[in-house]
Amino acid sequence: DQQVKQNSPSLSVQEGRISILNCDYTNSMFDYFLWYKKYPAEGPTFLISISSIKDKNEDGRFTVFLNKSAKHLSLHIVPSQPGDSAVYFCAASAGGGSEKLVFGKGTKLTVNP
Amino acid sequence: EPEVTQTPSHQVTQMGQEVILRCVPISNHLYFYWYRQILGQKVEFLVSFYNNEISEKSEIFDDQFSVERPDGSNFTLKIRSTKLEDSAMYFCASSGLRAGTEAFFGQGTRLTVV
Repeated sequence: DQQVKQNSPSLSVQEGRISILNCDYTNSMFDYFLWYKKYPAEGPTFLISISSIKDKNEDGRFTVFLNKSAKHLSLHIVPSQPGDSAVYFCAASAGGGSEKLVFGKGTKLTVNP
Repeated sequence: EPEVTQTPSHQVTQMGQEVILRCVPISNHLYFYWYRQILGQKVEFLVSFYNNEISEKSEIFDDQFSVERPDGSNFTLKIRSTKLEDSAMYFCASSGLRAGTEAFFGQGTRLTVV
């Protein structure tokens, strides 16, 4: 059941450059999307979210873009810092009474000094 | 900063034994969840709990699983008779907003069934 797909298992970028993490989804009922960051031996930490009525949401260095027609969202981190190195999970929820988050497999981001 | 706390951080149990995983959600949150992540796999939804009852559960959450909010602060997940395939990281989460929006996760309990 691959309703949320993160096709890149890993990404490596230089400090100061932009990191772009991608996520695709198949369920057109999804109306809310979230990005979580996870360090080893810790739980997922909420980063940023976006409702389906928007196409962009920005919070400091983090921006999420949503393209509903393509069923695609992306997380941009600018500038990337070594402390951003972690696994990033895309998640989605369908609303309409459904309460669960459906997660992607994650992308491991490494920011090199 | 408020956080979700889970105990224990690691539990080893023999197959067939009962385990109880404990969580203290963020105090003013209304929605509570359990998720799990088997090594190398996705984070998977198990169950959500609102207003003292299960509001949604996944196919994984069969009769071997139960949840309880025994008092105003704790939220527990019980596995009655553990199987080897129950070995995973179990995450508790809570949300104060509409269900299915920002959920805040605990650090997880690593359950190892031997």
